Amino acid sequence: TQLLEQSPQFLSIQEGENLTVYCNSSSVFSSLQWYRQEPGEGPVLLVTVVTGGEVKKLKRLTFQFGDARKDSSLHITAAQPGDTGLYLCAGVPWGNTPLVFGKGTRLSVIA
Amino acid sequence: EPEVTQTPSHQVTQMGQEVILRCAPISNHLYFYWYRQILGQKVEFLVSFYNNEISEKSEIFDDQFSVERPDGSNFTLKIRSTKLEDSAMYFCASSGGTAGGYTFGSGTRLTVV
Repeated sequence: TQLLEQSPQFLSIQEGENLTVYCNSSSVFSSLQWYRQEPGEGPVLLVTVVTGGEVKKLKRLTFQFGDARKDSSLHITAAQPGDTGLYLCAGVPWGNTPLVFGKGTRLSVIA
Repeated sequence: EPEVTQTPSHQVTQMGQEVILRCAPISNHLYFYWYRQILGQKVEFLVSFYNNEISEKSEIFDDQFSVERPDGSNFTLKIRSTKLEDSAMYFCASSGGTAGGYTFGSGTRLTVV
């Protein structure tokens, strides 16, 4: 079973601060995806990273896929209360077996 | 924007009863999945479906579970004899390819009492 470890598990910060969430594994993935999940809703895809070392930006969010394709990070610049939510990383193992999720990082941005 | 639609949004059932959860995936997607999320825990894979048959299933997806495509477009997840530990959010998802992002439905909250 391929595991994805996310850290931190919980994060509470003030509006305007920067933060980084990490997603690590001992396994190699063909791609990594980041989702955001609101209470009572399904995960919503934010980004997919496919190439080792790839960096993608989505407004104030920057996603990076590690060179070895085992880890990823999500950096949020100048966090806003609207960024509050559960951020999930998920990986597609080699062989394109179904998506494996991490436990998530619950972010709270206080105004 | 195309959506994955799940019904019902909530289901309460007595232990031992059968439940059927329904999903309308995005019409031009080829790959279909069921996941579940027990309260406070991570999203767990149950089963994937491609080309009108199960392509992969997890250890959770035992003989009590079955998946069907009764009308060629919508999907159902059936739990034959529910247990208390089956209480969870059940999510249906679809994707256009195996490596692309998944589109998830809003889920069915199943409560077994």
